[in-house]
Amino acid sequence: KQEVTQIPAALSVPEGENLVLNCSFTDSAIYNLQWFRQDPGKGLTSLLLIQSSQREQTSGRLNASLDKSSGRSTLYIAASQPGDSATYLCAVRREGANNLFFGTGTRLTVIP
Amino acid sequence: DARVTQTPRHKVTEMGQEVTMRCQPILGHNTVFWYRQTMMQGLELLAYFRNRAPLDDSGMPKDRFSAEMPDATLATLKIQPSEPRDSAVYFCASGLTGEYQPQHFGDGTRLSIL
Repeated sequence: KQEVTQIPAALSVPEGENLVLNCSFTDSAIYNLQWFRQDPGKGLTSLLLIQSSQREQTSGRLNASLDKSSGRSTLYIAASQPGDSATYLCAVRREGANNLFFGTGTRLTVIP
Repeated sequence: DARVTQTPRHKVTEMGQEVTMRCQPILGHNTVFWYRQTMMQGLELLAYFRNRAPLDDSGMPKDRFSAEMPDATLATLKIQPSEPRDSAVYFCASGLTGEYQPQHFGDGTRLSIL
């Protein structure tokens, strides 16, 4: 069974800092890994998707890396802003499965 | 931007009542997923459809939950009878077939069973 862990569970940083969110998964046989953002009372917004053959993906101030063999991914946020405050979820699609397996999320607070 | 649309956004009802949640997937998407989010369990898959056919509903309590796709533009998740432990946020997601395709999520239905 695929287990996905995110550390830390919560993180507070002052505005302008660069930060890294971590995600680890137990089964390295995956098709892809997706990072999502969830605002309170809202759905999930897809931020980045990394295919299993890729090492990283970038979108604006966000950079996601994937080390499939070690079962790890990181989400790097540069020059954090108060608007980045949200819960960040990583999810993997295991080979042979159709659904996503989610981590429990990291709740990020960026302090103005 | 195309979006997955879920209705209702919020539902409060008494135990024993029937609850129906609806989802309109993004036009052209042929896969639909129902997930449930709780504080204790996080996000878990309930059901999965491809080309309107149910392929995986192993995450769903069969005695009270049912999921259908009457047509390509509508997916429904029904609970009958509802119980307090069903209180959660229910998300619908859609996508295209293929190992490398992302899933797109709706805003969810926040369900409270009293």
